[in-house]
Amino acid sequence: QSALTQPASVSGSPGQSITISCTGTSSDVGGYNYVSWYQQHPGKAPKLMIYDVGNRSSGVSNRFSGSKSGNTASLTISGLQAEDEADYYCSSWTSSANYVFGTGTKVTVL
Amino acid sequence: QVQLVQSGAEVKKPGASVKVSCKASGYTFTDYYIHWVRQAPGQGLEYMGCIHPNSGVTRYAQKFQGWVTMTTDASISTAFVELKSDDTAVFYCARDRVGGWAFDPWGQGTLVTVSS
Repeated sequence: QSALTQPASVSGSPGQSITISCTGTSSDVGGYNYVSWYQQHPGKAPKLMIYDVGNRSSGVSNRFSGSKSGNTASLTISGLQAEDEADYYCSSWTSSANYVFGTGTKVTVL
Repeated sequence: QVQLVQSGAEVKKPGASVKVSCKASGYTFTDYYIHWVRQAPGQGLEYMGCIHPNSGVTRYAQKFQGWVTMTTDASISTAFVELKSDDTAVFYCARDRVGGWAFDPWGQGTLVTVSS
């Protein structure tokens, strides 16, 4: 199972919106509405942000939103803040009855 | 609150195996899958597989079949992963979220360093 493809880095200024893409195939992202997104700060464990494509996990700011079109899922962060600077990973259920993660995206707040 | 607490950092020699534990609290341990995830230094997350503590059923990602063994001990609400690879990495356990299809919460991670 190949990793889902994410851009290596995305950056934006405070207050701006950014979008991170997560591209898979019809055997994972495109085939199921079980895409989730995780935020990981350096040296910390990942934290669930979005599940089932577009549902925010409890306590997650409404500045974070998720969507999907075809084989590509997206995470949008609006009103970018310094605390959003972290690595972000998508994940999807697959036809192999397992999960796969994305390659990861480093978000930098300029 | 729901919490997963992992065992401390390990140093192992090449060719040896090591067992990492993940102790659950705050919920009924046998109700949810436990997943394991690997992260090599400076690299991304890799899904290793999962185990259901009630049935013992395991599902391993193809890449990890043969060198990873997942088990649980429900009497102490603890999951284990035994590792035979010679890669230095951080290993995380994570629970199925309520409703499934995502991982929440996560353990704090256990660094396994391979060194002769």
